[in-house]
Amino acid sequence: AQSVAQPEDQVNVAEGNPLTVKCTYSVSGNPYLFWYVQYPNRGLQFLLKYITGDNLVKGSYGFEAEFNKSQTSFHLKKPSALVSDSALYFCAVRSTNTGNQFYFGTGTSLTVIP
Amino acid sequence: KAGVTQTPRYLIKTRGQQVTLSCSPISGHRSVSWYQQTPGQGLQFLFEYFSETQRNKGNFPGRFSGRQFSNSRSEMNVSTLELGDSALYLCASRPQTGIVNTEAFFGQGTRLTVV
Repeated sequence: AQSVAQPEDQVNVAEGNPLTVKCTYSVSGNPYLFWYVQYPNRGLQFLLKYITGDNLVKGSYGFEAEFNKSQTSFHLKKPSALVSDSALYFCAVRSTNTGNQFYFGTGTSLTVIP
Repeated sequence: KAGVTQTPRYLIKTRGQQVTLSCSPISGHRSVSWYQQTPGQGLQFLFEYFSETQRNKGNFPGRFSGRQFSNSRSEMNVSTLELGDSALYLCASRPQTGIVNTEAFFGQGTRLTVV
């Protein structure tokens, strides 16, 4: 069965500090990994994706993520957090075996404290 | 380029009623997927449509149905509403189906409240 785990429901970080939002996955076939962000009463906005190649992927708004195949992880990172980064973050996976369906984690609420 | 448009944004319905939600994908996108978002279950896949045909279906009862029109606009219908159907319903569009490495673009969602 395909699944995505985001072990932390809530992450708090001080403004200016680095942030990490964790994601691990379990999927058969080659994984394609995505991060989305959701602001209150809004849909999901695409941040970045890993398809193949370099394990460090850079995306929108200064975010990046590192794909680790041996640990089946795809953690989202940002060197210096902004208050405006406060939102709900979702990790998602798709694979050559799952077809078109995204499997989402349960989301991590990030709060950046001024 | 206009994004994914979902209407209405908010709905309040009574148990037992039915509801129809609408989604207009990004121009040129032909794949439309629907997701249900609830605090307890997170995002759950409902179904995907491409070229007016359902291509994939999640694990939801038959009360949840959908369709896609020739202009790629999609509707989903929920009949005999239950309190547990209260959720944010999100629509996502992609240019094509069957290409697993493409991201999807989401609308702002329709917030359905069943009372």
